[in-house]
Amino acid sequence: QLQLQQSGPGLVKPSQTLSLTCAISGDSVSSSSATWNWIRQSPSRGLEWLGRTYYRSKWYHDFALSVKSRMTINSDTTKNQFSLQFNSVTPEDTAVYYCSVAMAAAGTGYFQQWGQGTLVTVSS
Amino acid sequence: DIQMTQSPSSVSASVGDRVTVTCRASQDISGWLAWYQQKPGKAPKLLIYGASSLQSGVPSRFSGSGSGTDFTLTISSLQPEDFATYYCQQANSFPWTFGQGTKVEVK
Repeated sequence: QLQLQQSGPGLVKPSQTLSLTCAISGDSVSSSSATWNWIRQSPSRGLEWLGRTYYRSKWYHDFALSVKSRMTINSDTTKNQFSLQFNSVTPEDTAVYYCSVAMAAAGTGYFQQWGQGTLVTVSS
Repeated sequence: DIQMTQSPSSVSASVGDRVTVTCRASQDISGWLAWYQQKPGKAPKLLIYGASSLQSGVPSRFSGSGSGTDFTLTISSLQPEDFATYYCQQANSFPWTFGQGTKVEVK
């Protein structure tokens, strides 16, 4: 049973970097049949897909254009996890952040499992 | 970006009712559509993918239909555990985008 467990701070100061980690159990971050995604949800923006990483003989990354310049996704095969770094945050980045997995069998745009979510508040 | 518009934004229903939620895409997405259920304080849960394929473990009272730009989620007989917010999401082109949600409330 694939499970995702998120960790990271719930409070970040404006202009600083938001960092979250998603630990995977039941599958491998370097699986050739999965993509690993970050999604956020806020009252003002609704559900917003941010980006993904996946391994197909090498690592690939895709990002929403709206966040591409500020976002990094890294993978750690030794810890079997992937992480989000979001630079230069503003109060508009306050949201619940989710990690999620999409499996190739159904289509890599469908989010089959989700982490528990992390409320990140950007405030001084 | 492809805009996803759901209607209605909320619906009041009773246990046993048939409930229908509509989702419209701003351009043709073929059958690349998913439906999710979200309860307060929880992550969304995948119900339907590929417009009409039921995710494993999801009750058969949930069904999806449509293609192109117009899609429907139907709950054939509403159960107490189905009161929640439902979202559609397109998986046709980046960035993946979601509808604004439809809240199914107790009548």
